[in-house]
Amino acid sequence: EAGVAQSPRYKIIEKRQSVAFWCNPISGHATLYWYQQILGQGPKLLIQFQNNGVVDDSQLPKDRFSAERLKGVDSTLKIQPAKLEDSAVYLCASSPLRGMNTEAFFGQGTRLTVV
Amino acid sequence: DAKTTQPPSMDCAEGRAANLPCNHSTISGNEYVYWYRQIHSQGPQYIIHGLKNNETNEMASLIITEDRKSSTLILPHATLRDTAVYYCIVRVVDANTGNQFYFGTGTSLTVIP
Repeated sequence: EAGVAQSPRYKIIEKRQSVAFWCNPISGHATLYWYQQILGQGPKLLIQFQNNGVVDDSQLPKDRFSAERLKGVDSTLKIQPAKLEDSAVYLCASSPLRGMNTEAFFGQGTRLTVV
Repeated sequence: DAKTTQPPSMDCAEGRAANLPCNHSTISGNEYVYWYRQIHSQGPQYIIHGLKNNETNEMASLIITEDRKSSTLILPHATLRDTAVYYCIVRVVDANTGNQFYFGTGTSLTVIP
């Protein structure tokens, strides 16, 4: 089966500019996650969707970050305006809604550099 | 917040077993232990998971202590391609949010020729 697709793979922007990342999860997966991974750290959950609704955005810096998942399929994560500390890899993951053996499948990530 | 603690780094000789420990002393009864690994510039890759019984698959074995407060991931014959950061994760299941995967800082495993 096709995996989680993310684009772009790399992005370089200047601070105060805006940027958007796109994610297409595995077909049929109701849950979609966005993680931020700063160099040398583990991934940090930013926001979680179930279908097209947000179920957890407690770690999302809402003054500059936004995300949507229209129609409950693909999703976009936006940063506006970007700061230097936003330089990181942004990972998208998806999983089925329920099940004992549920695992999260990750995309390759988008590496953002803010200069 | 991460519910696990792991040593920051470990070395293992090629061909030997790699044993990666993890502490999860606050784990709840219905929370599963998951292991993922991340090779440089790639997304995390699922390895194995378990609740209370030991588990084995084609990649690794997972040993969970009887009190479930710690576990060990075993790579039986480490190869150079196993060099990666290994994350031990507790999967939280919440009635409102569903499944959530919280990562700690992981263990950087280096397999030495």
